Amino acid sequence: AQSVTQLGSHVSVSEGALVLLRCNYSSSVPPYLFWYVQYPNQGLQLLLKYTTGATLVKGINGFEAEFKKSETSFHLTKPSAHMSDAAEYFCAVSRSGGYQKVTFGTGTKLQVIP
Amino acid sequence: DAEITQSPRHKITETGRQVTLACHQTWNHNNMFWYRQDLGHGLRLIHYSYGVQDTNKGEVSDGYSVSRSNTEDLPLTLESAASSQTSVYFCASSARIAGHYEQYFGPGTRLTVT
Repeated sequence: AQSVTQLGSHVSVSEGALVLLRCNYSSSVPPYLFWYVQYPNQGLQLLLKYTTGATLVKGINGFEAEFKKSETSFHLTKPSAHMSDAAEYFCAVSRSGGYQKVTFGTGTKLQVIP
Repeated sequence: DAEITQSPRHKITETGRQVTLACHQTWNHNNMFWYRQDLGHGLRLIHYSYGVQDTNKGEVSDGYSVSRSNTEDLPLTLESAASSQTSVYFCASSARIAGHYEQYFGPGTRLTVT
């Protein structure tokens, strides 16, 4: 079985401040991990992913995440928040071996304060 | 450009009526999924299909059905709509990329059952 837990359903940051969205996963086998972003009234877009190799992965719009196996975490960060980053962010887990289903977290809504 | 579309984008229906939500993708992906998105629950998997004539139940399949007669379409039917099925519904398809599967989402259908 696999699952993800996102800490904090709402996060507020000031424009220009660090963005940190937390995600912890549970998986019985090596995981594949994803962050998706959802803008209002839109579907989900892939932001970044970890499959194998480098544990620090970079995505679109200046976001990055680090896979930490010892902490079972995959937190999303961005050094400087922009107003356009206001959206809902979903962490998701799948597993290696050609497994096709993805399990999503409950989401974190990011508010950016001017 | 290849894409995934959903129709209608908004639907209001009455309790007890049958409703069908359409999902169409032009990527020729074998795998297609239906999710519902509710506050506090994130995305939950309703049904999925790995190819023509293949359908499988997800974690919240009661009251829903799907059929897959071709690669492009996976319609979702609510056999007798209930107020608990008021939600935003997302269709997704997935492709294998470098050993893992990535999901691509449609824009969503907002369904209200009165």
